[in-house]
Amino acid sequence: LAKTTQPISMDSYEGQEVNITCSHNNIATNDYITWYQQFPSQGPRFIIQGYKTKVTNEVASLFIPADRKSSTLSLPRVSLSDTAVYYCLVGAGNTGKLIFGQGTTLQVKP
Amino acid sequence: NAGVTQTPKFQVLKTGQSMTLQCAQDMNHNSMYWYRQDPGMGLRLIYYSASEGTTDKGEVPNGYNVSRLNKREFSLRLESAAPSQTSVYFCASRWPGETGNTIYFGEGSWLTVV
Repeated sequence: LAKTTQPISMDSYEGQEVNITCSHNNIATNDYITWYQQFPSQGPRFIIQGYKTKVTNEVASLFIPADRKSSTLSLPRVSLSDTAVYYCLVGAGNTGKLIFGQGTTLQVKP
Repeated sequence: NAGVTQTPKFQVLKTGQSMTLQCAQDMNHNSMYWYRQDPGMGLRLIYYSASEGTTDKGEVPNGYNVSRLNKREFSLRLESAAPSQTSVYFCASRWPGETGNTIYFGEGSWLTVV
C-alpha cells in the first residue's frame, strides 16, 4: 500500500489559490490518486481523482507529474467555506484496503 | 436515495458494555468499510469487506468484530467497550468495479465510553 505524506496544516486568505501537495513515493502502477474534503462533524466527501497528468472539475484541479510520486490539489480562489481537512488517498480499485494519510488542515482567513 | 446510513448517531457506553453499530448502503456497492476518527486525528481503517461474504482487518482491528450481513449491511461490534474506543465511527462503501478510490461515507456515529 502506498503511504502518503502531506503538510499538517496550511493557511490562506480568501480569493487566493491554494495548492496542497501529497507525496506517494511507492505508488503502484494501477493506483489512482483521490482527494477528499472533510468538514468538522461530517464524513469525508470526494473532491477529485486522477491517474496521470491533469484533471479538472468544477471545484478543483489535480496535477500529477509523469513519475506519479506526488500530486497537487489546486483550489482556485478559496473562500471561508473551504476551511476543512483535505486527504490524499492512493490505492487501486481492486485492493479493497484503503488507508488514509494524516490529512492537511486548511484554514482560510478573511 | 439515502446513500450510506449509520445508526445510532450518538451512544454513551459504560466500560465493559457491548454494542453494535449498524451500517447500510443503498447504492449496490460491493465494498464496505469501517473507520474511526479520534478528536483532531485522521481516519484509521478498522475493518473492511471487499465483497459480500468476506471481511478483512484494517489498521486497528483489536477490540472490534464485524459482520457483512448481506450486500447492503456491514455492522461493527464492540464486545467489551473501553474508554480508548471513544471516537467517531464512519462507515463507507465503494462502487463495484470502479477503478480508483471513490468511496462514500456515512454521517458518522459518535461513541463515548465512560
